[in-house]
Amino acid sequence: DTAVSQTPKYLVTQMGNDKSIKCEQNLGHDTMYWYKQDSKKFLKIMFSYNNKELIINETVPNRFSPKSPDKAHLNLHINSLELGDSAVYFCASSQAAGFYGYTFGSGTRLTVV
Amino acid sequence: DQQVKQNSPSLSVQEGRISILNCDYTNSMFDYFLWYKKYPAEGPTFLISISSIKDKNEDGRFTVFLNKSAKHLSLHIVPSQPGDSAVYFCAASARESGGGADGLTFGKGTHLIIQP
Repeated sequence: DTAVSQTPKYLVTQMGNDKSIKCEQNLGHDTMYWYKQDSKKFLKIMFSYNNKELIINETVPNRFSPKSPDKAHLNLHINSLELGDSAVYFCASSQAAGFYGYTFGSGTRLTVV
Repeated sequence: DQQVKQNSPSLSVQEGRISILNCDYTNSMFDYFLWYKKYPAEGPTFLISISSIKDKNEDGRFTVFLNKSAKHLSLHIVPSQPGDSAVYFCAASARESGGGADGLTFGKGTHLIIQP
């Protein structure tokens, strides 16, 4: 029983394509996040959702859009993929917006060619 | 602008000895700090945390020390075991000022290698 699962684990796609990464958590957590780990290994927050509301939105291109059909899911849609989007994307969840025991998914390695 | 810095990309320690991983931060608004452990091809796993009202928190073999005046924290692992070999990320949050959902600011990580 994976607590936070993301699919696919690997994604190779051409520039200009549109792709989605799915994330689901079965922990009953209130808040979900998307983090990006770039080539310099920094983990940077992209989005967080609490009760279906976008709480923060860091300076990411509007080609990236989070979509949360319900509290257990937070999917990441990326339009017009660029080479610089290549990175590992991690989904995470936490019990409440103020609790930081994040549970991370295993990551999706996106490679744009 | 790196607000959380882990200046050692890697650290090699003999099994049974103490491992000390260091982390510095620049944002004085940070008041909650965490350490995460990450194995290859897996997501980070929460290890231990400390609030700024404390200077030490201990959990089994893991102890985190916080020196607010120096804006420095460290993670001690004793005794080190082969399974401790992983990348360790330091993370911080301005929880009180920024609200709960600001997310965490991570360092670049330190790759800890435990040698038999």
